[in-house]
Amino acid sequence: EDQVTQSPEALRLQEGESSSLNCSYTVSGLRGLFWYRQDPGKGPEFLFTLYSAGEEKEKERLKATLTKKESFLHITAPKPEDSATYLCAVQARGNNRKLIWGLGTSLAVNP
Amino acid sequence: DGGITQSPKYLFRKEGQNVTLSCEQNLNHDAMYWYRQDPGQGLRLIYYSQIVNDFQKGDIAEGYSVSREKKESFPLTVTSAQKNPTAFYLCASSMSGGENGYTFGSGTRLTVV
Repeated sequence: EDQVTQSPEALRLQEGESSSLNCSYTVSGLRGLFWYRQDPGKGPEFLFTLYSAGEEKEKERLKATLTKKESFLHITAPKPEDSATYLCAVQARGNNRKLIWGLGTSLAVNP
Repeated sequence: DGGITQSPKYLFRKEGQNVTLSCEQNLNHDAMYWYRQDPGQGLRLIYYSQIVNDFQKGDIAEGYSVSREKKESFPLTVTSAQKNPTAFYLCASSMSGGENGYTFGSGTRLTVV
């Protein structure tokens, strides 16, 4: 069964304290892995798409990496405005192109 | 600016009433989706549409209905048959196939009173 697991469920960091969020997946052929950021009461905001193992993408303090089993979202020197829930989703190959979502990691960055 | 608009932001419904949530996009996306988000649960797909006048049930379609008469619009009706309708509803759109990710609206919070 296709599945996405995110860890940790919640993470609290001090401003400037770098860390990583994990997204483990099992899927019958990966078409793409997506990272989103969601603020309370708002819709998810697209961050990255990764397509193949070894691929990396960066945006400001965020860097996403992908292996055959998992993806990491590295946050370098986070700021309080990086506080949000980070969601991971995968899309499998085949006719069914629905996204399979993880439960998210709730990140709090203290000033 | 291109985007996806959901309305209203907050909606209150009495038990036994149907209610329709609006979703409009001007991104020229072919595909549109409705999700439900509950605390402690991942996003769950209600319905999706990959082309005008065609839509498919998602994982939790019971008690919901949709239409796709125009490319830009994908309204969701929450019927009285939905046993637990209080939730945060999210509409999204994507290019055909969704490989480049989805664009989400800002959501509608529905409360049954």
